[in-house]
Amino acid sequence: DIQMTQSPSSLSASVGDRVSITCQASQDISNYLNWYQQKPGKAPKLLIYDASNLETGVPSRFSGSGSGTDFTFTISSLQPEDIATYYCQQYDNLFSFGPGTKVDIK
Amino acid sequence: QVQLVESGGGVVQPGRSLRLSCVASGFTFSNYAMHWVRQAPGKGLEWLAVISYDGTKKYYADSLKGRFTISRDNSKNTLYLQMKSLRAEDTAVYLCARDVGYTSTSGAFDPWGQGTLVTVSS
Repeated sequence: DIQMTQSPSSLSASVGDRVSITCQASQDISNYLNWYQQKPGKAPKLLIYDASNLETGVPSRFSGSGSGTDFTFTISSLQPEDIATYYCQQYDNLFSFGPGTKVDIK
Repeated sequence: QVQLVESGGGVVQPGRSLRLSCVASGFTFSNYAMHWVRQAPGKGLEWLAVISYDGTKKYYADSLKGRFTISRDNSKNTLYLQMKSLRAEDTAVYLCARDVGYTSTSGAFDPWGQGTLVTVSS
């Protein structure tokens, strides 16, 4: 099984701040990584696929980078509507999610 | 619009079985692989199973140890999850999700249903 870790587990930032979340895979997964946003009480939403591709309709303040075992998800300018938990997910060997990063507004 | 609606959840005693359903609409169901994912209360997402668009290939998370079975009826636009020997730790919201790949598994899940809550308790 491929294990995914994320850091931090939670963060609090001000509106307009640049926010970054890291995701690490237990083995090389190339770019087989996606990022999801889950707002409280809602279903997850796909934001980034194949590590760095922005899903259609997703604001350009969201971005992803990385390959191999280390990946980064960035919100360039945090907005109030970005309050959510963010998950990375690998699909190199079946599928598994990271534990999530909860993002709050300071 | 594309929609997935789960049903079949509820309170069930440990050791019993339950079958969940996910009805799809707004797209050609028979062209897409489908997944089940669960989320225990206050916890993260756990992938459970995937079934190919035609139902011929099925893969499961090792943690399920053969207790869950994924299936689909393309004539009814419906995905199923048969769960047996349920345990307290299976208590979770169960969500279905469409794989974005067309007649193949791309690895990305979109959209998702809202989920159905399964509570395993005596």
